[in-house]
Formats: sequence, C-alpha cells, structure tokens
Amino acid sequence: NAGVTQTPKFRILKIGQSMTLQCTQDMNHNYMYWYRQDPGMGLKLIYYSVGAGITDKGEVPNGYNVSRSTTEDFPLRLELAAPSQTSVYFCASSYTKDRGVNTEAFFGQGTRLTVV
Amino acid sequence: AQKVTQAQTEISVVEKEDVTLDCVYETRDTTYYLFWYKQPPSGELVFLIRRNSFDEQNEISGRYSWNFQKSTSSFNFTITASQVVDSAVYFCALSEDRGSTLGRLYFGRGTQLTVWP
Repeated sequence: NAGVTQTPKFRILKIGQSMTLQCTQDMNHNYMYWYRQDPGMGLKLIYYSVGAGITDKGEVPNGYNVSRSTTEDFPLRLELAAPSQTSVYFCASSYTKDRGVNTEAFFGQGTRLTVV
Repeated sequence: AQKVTQAQTEISVVEKEDVTLDCVYETRDTTYYLFWYKQPPSGELVFLIRRNSFDEQNEISGRYSWNFQKSTSSFNFTITASQVVDSAVYFCALSEDRGSTLGRLYFGRGTQLTVWP
C-alpha cells in the first residue's frame, strides 16, 4: 500500500522561481489537503479539495495554487517563490462524507522546501 | 480564535514517568471528530487515535490512554511509564462534520515531549 506519496522530498528554490509539489494517493479518498508546517506553529491548511474538480482555500492560500483533475492527484503550485514559503509541506487525504463517516487523514512524508 | 489549543509547548520528563498532554477544542457542531497525531524527529505524521463526539468512553491502548470530556471540551492524552522513544511532537486535531468546514482538520500547535533516560 503506497498511501499518500509526495515528491520531491527536498527542494531548494531561488526567489522568483516556480515549482510544483506532487501528491498522489491510491486509497480512493475524496478529500485531499495541503498543509504547511513552520517551526513551532503546528500545521496550517493551504488548500483542500472535496473531490475531483473542486478546490477551496484554507487558512494560508496566498502564493499557492492547486488543481484536482483526478481523484488521485492534488498538485500544489508555487508561482513566484518567496523566502516566506520556506517550510515543510504535507499532503494528506481522507474519506469524508456528511454526517458520520470521516476517516483520519493519511499524510505523505512531507517536502522540505527552502527558498533562498 | 484557535479551534484547538494545546497550551503546553514543551514538556520534559524522565523515563518511566507518566505524562499528560492537554488538548482543548472549540466547536459549535454536535458531531465532530478528534484526533491525536505523533510527529517523531524523523518528521512523518503518525495517526494515534480518532474519536467521534458521541463516544465519550475513555480509551486505552498499551501505555497510551485518552480522556475525552465534552463538558470541558477536552481530549487529553496520557502516556504511562514514558520511554525515550515517546519523544516527539504530539498534535491534537479537530474535524467538524457538516457545513462549510466539513472535513477540514484543525490542528493545535503541538506539544514537544522530551523523555530523558
């Protein structure tokens, strides 16, 4: 079982560069999420998706974009990298329905991004 | 306002001591889910427990136990006879069951637990 797979694991970007963090899950989960983790700050939600073709902003969406063309994939795009985007990024998925069915979120291994 | 508050930023104990990590949450929903995750120094997030709001029974799993009290909006986590391998950051999280925030996970800031030999 692969679960949630994120690539790359590490990346260094120069200010102004762009990149896409890849995330794929093989559990047929409807919900997918992107979080960033800054030291001592817990995890903050960037974007999430409730199903293919539907995405929504979380707490800290500025500077990021997402798409969800398939159930499995949920890439996160950074268009103009800034030092403030230096963080560890986690992708996660869960199976969530209204009223009573809500699994735990399964997390990828994380991507450590440094913007210099 | 924070939906999940973990007031203890860091806790240090000596091996074999018991330790309780506090979690207080805030929600207006009657149906919600609470979670604990462990993040060891290697960085991955490890799921520990999921609890729904209708099940207030305490749970024990080996050295781990959880105390869920709706009256105080708390979901505390106790490690009995702590071990060095328990050293990690522990996160409490809340997920609401309906409305515009359905499925969104709200995390506390985490508690860094250090267990000394």
